[in-house]
Amino acid sequence: AQKVTQAQTEISVVEKEDVTLDCVYETRDTTYYLFWYKQPPSGELVFLIRRNSFDEQNEISGRYSWNFQKSTSSFNFTITASQVVDSAVYFCALRESNFGNEKLTFGTGTRLTIIP
Amino acid sequence: EPEVTQTPSHQVTQMGQEVILRCVPISNHLYFYWYRQILGQKVEFLVSFYNNEISEKSEIFDDQFSVERPDGSNFTLKIRSTKLEDSAMYFCASSEAEEYEQYFGPGTRLTVT
Repeated sequence: AQKVTQAQTEISVVEKEDVTLDCVYETRDTTYYLFWYKQPPSGELVFLIRRNSFDEQNEISGRYSWNFQKSTSSFNFTITASQVVDSAVYFCALRESNFGNEKLTFGTGTRLTIIP
Repeated sequence: EPEVTQTPSHQVTQMGQEVILRCVPISNHLYFYWYRQILGQKVEFLVSFYNNEISEKSEIFDDQFSVERPDGSNFTLKIRSTKLEDSAMYFCASSEAEEYEQYFGPGTRLTVT
């Protein structure tokens, strides 16, 4: 069964600090997909990134970077030089690739507060 | 930029009443989903829909729930007889292919009194 664990329930950092959000997943599939979504105070879910299990390259997009490590089943998300607009709940999600399994399994989310 | 839209943004209903939540997925997407999020909790999968039929559903999606794509653009979730515990934010999502990212709508907040 697939499972996503986000052990950090809440994190607060001062603006301009770097912050890393942890995500650990469990799956029996050898092929799977990992995602990060942002949920700002307005409530919508905003897609940030998708990663395939066969691509372990880290990715950087502006101030955001993602570290995917299959050896530790982790897909961590780092925000560099945080800004107040980064304040949100961040969800990590997993999708297995077996036929008929299309659902995203979400973690419980990490509430990030950036203090000005 | 294309986006998923949902109506209404907020629905208040009495226990036992039927509600229909509406969604317009992104136009070239083929896979459609409903999720729900009880206040302060994680997002939970309800159902996925492809090629005019349900392709997967969770234990939450019991006989009280149904989905439909009545025309080429809308995708609806019906709850036949609402219960207090159905109060949640309901998100519609769509994706171009099953392995691609799912794009979510802004959600419908359902309050059952």
